[in-house]
Amino acid sequence: QKEVEQDPGPLSVPEGAIVSLNCTYSNSAFQYFMWYRQYSRKGPELLMYTYSSGNKEDGRFTAQVDKSSKYISLFIRDSQPSDSATYLCAMGSNYKLTFGKGTLLTVNP
Amino acid sequence: KAGVTQTPRYLIKTRGQQVTLSCSPISGHRSVSWYQQTPGQGLQFLFEYFSETQRNKGNFPGRFSGRQFSNSRSEMNVSTLELGDSALYLCASSHITGETEAFFGQGTRLTVV
Repeated sequence: QKEVEQDPGPLSVPEGAIVSLNCTYSNSAFQYFMWYRQYSRKGPELLMYTYSSGNKEDGRFTAQVDKSSKYISLFIRDSQPSDSATYLCAMGSNYKLTFGKGTLLTVNP
Repeated sequence: KAGVTQTPRYLIKTRGQQVTLSCSPISGHRSVSWYQQTPGQGLQFLFEYFSETQRNKGNFPGRFSGRQFSNSRSEMNVSTLELGDSALYLCASSHITGETEAFFGQGTRLTVV
């Protein structure tokens, strides 16, 4: 079983839709949880960071962590064409990040 | 505030050669991590450095090595290059530890022919 599982998609939605991206993990040692956005041929960009169960909101983005179920989510409200990218979840422990494979999102105008 | 700077951006090398990649972290950040990204394997951890000490190393052969200097800048080296080493190599900068908020550079795209 992989430490971090993420549905690779692709996911295609119309502009304005609410997008839900999810990851599950198996390693209870993970303490920190992040979401990154990566545009083609660019480095990953940190979107959200949290270390506790619950919700964290930043503008149109909401990160949700459920440590008891080992499940994290990212919600994007009012999605825009500029949100089209690959979204990566990452879990931190032992001085390193373990990433999901990424979900390719396309937001259609 | 300047971001993470990686040089060079692109490299083409021949099998058997060696390569050195450079990373300058965000000012004030003391932790530098390296990752390899390929279409098949995704992002995989190579190593993490803090105050010139390697604190963790990923599951890569000994041909992959790194170091950190006293000014927190870091280099990674790959010797005896193989075709499978073709990848995007990403450096991440963190304030204290690579398991928390990590900010990535644009990467060095290495092609081995």
